[in-house]
Amino acid sequence: EDQVTQSPEALRLQEGESSSLNCSYTVSGLRGLFWYRQDPGKGPEFLFTLYSAGEEKEKERLKATLTKKESFLHITAPKPEDSATYLCAVHPGDTGRRALTFGSGTRLQVQP
Amino acid sequence: ETGVTQTPRHLVMGMTNKKSLKCEQHLGHNAMYWYKQSAKKPLELMFVYSLEERVENNSVPSRFSPECPNSSHLFLHLHTLQPEDSALYLCASSQMDMYEQYFGPGTRLTVT
Repeated sequence: EDQVTQSPEALRLQEGESSSLNCSYTVSGLRGLFWYRQDPGKGPEFLFTLYSAGEEKEKERLKATLTKKESFLHITAPKPEDSATYLCAVHPGDTGRRALTFGSGTRLQVQP
Repeated sequence: ETGVTQTPRHLVMGMTNKKSLKCEQHLGHNAMYWYKQSAKKPLELMFVYSLEERVENNSVPSRFSPECPNSSHLFLHLHTLQPEDSALYLCASSQMDMYEQYFGPGTRLTVT
């Protein structure tokens, strides 16, 4: 069974304090790993797709990396507007399913 | 309108009511999804439609009935719901051969 575990559950940072969020996954034949950002009461906003180990993607202060077992979302010099819940999801390539399996998310709070 | 839209944004209904949630995507995608998001739980897939055909039903109770009249529109018909059905209901869309899913803002449903 596909599993996605995100850690930490919650993270509080000071503005400018860089850190990383972790997404560990177990899936048969990974087709893609996805990162989303979700603000309270809103739908998830797509950030990145990673397809293979060693791949990296960047967007502003965010950088996502992928290994065979986990992905990291690195946040460099975060600002208060980066506060949100960050979701990781995987697409299992071997099962024929089209649905993503999501983790429970990391709730990030950046204080000024 | 751009992206994925959902109406209504908020809905309060009694356990004996019948209501419908509407989703429309303006991205030219051909797959659409319904997810349920409850507090402190990962997103739960409910239904997947691909080319207007239901291809996945994730053991959802029959009081939830989806309808996909064309590739741009998706409905979720609700009847005789239970209080535990109160949640944020999210619609998403994607291209069949690309797995990034784009989400709407969600409908916050409260069952009284």
